[in-house]
Amino acid sequence: DAGVIQSPRHEVTEMGQEVTLRCKPISGHDYLFWYRQTMMRGLELLIYFNNNVPIDDSGMPEDRFSAKMPNASFSTLKIQPSEPRDSAVYFCASSFRDREYQNQPQHFGDGTRLSIL
Amino acid sequence: TQLLEQSPQFLSIQEGENLTVYCNSSSVFSSLQWYRQEPGEGPVLLVTVVTGGEVKKLKRLTFQFGDARKDSSLHITAAQPGDTGLYLCAGALESNQGGKLIFGQGTELSVKP
Repeated sequence: DAGVIQSPRHEVTEMGQEVTLRCKPISGHDYLFWYRQTMMRGLELLIYFNNNVPIDDSGMPEDRFSAKMPNASFSTLKIQPSEPRDSAVYFCASSFRDREYQNQPQHFGDGTRLSIL
Repeated sequence: TQLLEQSPQFLSIQEGENLTVYCNSSSVFSSLQWYRQEPGEGPVLLVTVVTGGEVKKLKRLTFQFGDARKDSSLHITAAQPGDTGLYLCAGALESNQGGKLIFGQGTELSVKP
């Protein structure tokens, strides 16, 4: 079975440019999470969706960051304009809630390594 | 403020040694998960513990959930170079039913042959 698919795997761009990261969750999963990972701050939750609706975006650093989930099989995280301090590995993860309303583990993609010069 | 304190942050040991990683919080979790992450990949689930006092074993790895569901530990017996990686604990707050996990800072483990 295909896991969570992220693209691109690597992105290098100059500051001020728009960056779009893409994620395809596992089919049937109704939760989608975007994380950022750095050495200094570890794994930080940016935003998460349930049934395509944003539930908690309190982790989004500032207005330069935005995320959308137009349908159950696709989500984007956009940074505009990008800055060098946005350099990090960005992960997408998906999960589902079972019939007993227990949250199942999160399945992570392999991440996008973003470098802003 | 880190809700889930993980220690140690770095651990470098020789093959065959035992080690324990700790995850502590003042908050109560409905469940706690342990993940392992290798370079260039996303975290992968090792185990989920849900009951206070629960102990789960996965080959040489032993996971324990504290009685009060505020802390957890991961013990590795006779570590091998293949155990090298970043270990992350993650808890689902009892007050949050929304699927959100709180991650610890991680423990970078290096096992030298």
